[in-house]
Amino acid sequence: DIQMTQSPSSLSASVGDRVTISCRASQSISNYLNWYQHKPGEAPKFLIYAASTLQSGVPSRFSGSGSGSHFTLTISSLQPEDFATYYCQQTYNSPYNFGQGTKLEIK
Amino acid sequence: QVLLQESGPGLVKPSQTLSLTCTVSGGSVSSGNYYWNWIRQPAGKGPEWIGRINPSGSAVNNPSLQSRVTLSVDRSKNQISLKMTSVTVADTAVYYCAREPYCTDGVCYRRFDYWAQGTLVIVSS
Repeated sequence: DIQMTQSPSSLSASVGDRVTISCRASQSISNYLNWYQHKPGEAPKFLIYAASTLQSGVPSRFSGSGSGSHFTLTISSLQPEDFATYYCQQTYNSPYNFGQGTKLEIK
Repeated sequence: QVLLQESGPGLVKPSQTLSLTCTVSGGSVSSGNYYWNWIRQPAGKGPEWIGRINPSGSAVNNPSLQSRVTLSVDRSKNQISLKMTSVTVADTAVYYCAREPYCTDGVCYRRFDYWAQGTLVIVSS
């Protein structure tokens, strides 16, 4: 199975900050990488697929990059609604494992 | 707007069978354009993919859960279902259903574009 490791596990930032979350795969997954946002009590929200393609309706302050085994999610200017937990997921091979999450908190 | 909603017992005894249903509104499970997935997330851990099923009832499961999981589709009720046998406390988690678009081009980027809110299932005697 392909293991996904995110860093950091938690991150404190302020509105307007630029933040970057890292996701590493235990082997190359090309660009078969998704990002999701999850707020407590809500349905997870799909943000990005193919490592860098924004889902329709996702604000352009979100961007993804990377290929092979190292990926990043960047939020260019944090908004209050962006404080949440973010997960990466590989879909290169079954089982489609997720990272353990990065909790983005208000500083 | 597609909405997914899980339902089922919130408490299951060890060794028994966990049964959950996901009702889809604003769309049809019979549509040939989507798979339907189950994912779970234990407290403090990342999500774990359980399996997916297509409208014809063909399912693929996570090998780690393969022998205990059965997925099914009820087209008349617009629902998908999950059954997990011989549960233990390790199966305590929030369970989600999610939609996955079919791949329409040569390169297949699987993704779960709509999720339900999740339902907590506790395994305890």
